[in-house]
Amino acid sequence: DTAVSQTPKYLVTQMGNDKSIKCEQNLGHDTMYWYKQDSKKFLKIMFSYNNKELIINETVPNRFSPKSPDKAHLNLHINSLELGDSAVYFCASSLRDRQNTIYFGEGSWLTVV
Amino acid sequence: AQSVTQLDSHVSVSEGTPVLLRCNYSSSYSPSLFWYVQHPNKGLQLLLKYTSAATLVKGINGFEAEFKKSETSFHLTKPSAHMSDAAEYFCVVGEMNTGFQKLVFGTGTRLLVSP
Repeated sequence: DTAVSQTPKYLVTQMGNDKSIKCEQNLGHDTMYWYKQDSKKFLKIMFSYNNKELIINETVPNRFSPKSPDKAHLNLHINSLELGDSAVYFCASSLRDRQNTIYFGEGSWLTVV
Repeated sequence: AQSVTQLDSHVSVSEGTPVLLRCNYSSSYSPSLFWYVQHPNKGLQLLLKYTSAATLVKGINGFEAEFKKSETSFHLTKPSAHMSDAAEYFCVVGEMNTGFQKLVFGTGTRLLVSP
């Protein structure tokens, strides 16, 4: 009965490859997010979608392309992976409203070698 | 833009002693404030949140935080630390962007608990 689930949890891949991380939430939320945590533990928002529409894009390189097939899913596709993309990527979801809690997934540990 | 400053990168306490993790915020309006905890190699768990109701907010696992507007602070406290409290703690402010909320994280405080 996981609320926000991401797959894979761990991913090791070579530079130049293309990879995807999938996210699903079963909380009935209408807004989903991707956050990136760097090697110094700093967390920053990358994207946010509401009802399948992109609403926040924090100047992330074009190699990152989120896709939301429906409001319960938000996938992250990364092209031409670089060493600097190594990080933990967190998916999250909430209901649209400043009062509502944002729930996070367990994270996906991406290592680019 | 909203921001938070966590004043200590590391805090060390002994088991059974009080915990104080400090956070100051910057916001142009009444903010939503949160504390999240991250255990090693785990995801983020919400400890508590403030959304302009009571200024003293109680969270899970015995943690609480007090919103002090005059000091622009939202410090996290716990009366007695437990070994299982050792983790990374993030103070977070909710920033509204085109009608939607995004979270702005502090740099984190690592809590170390010794026996």
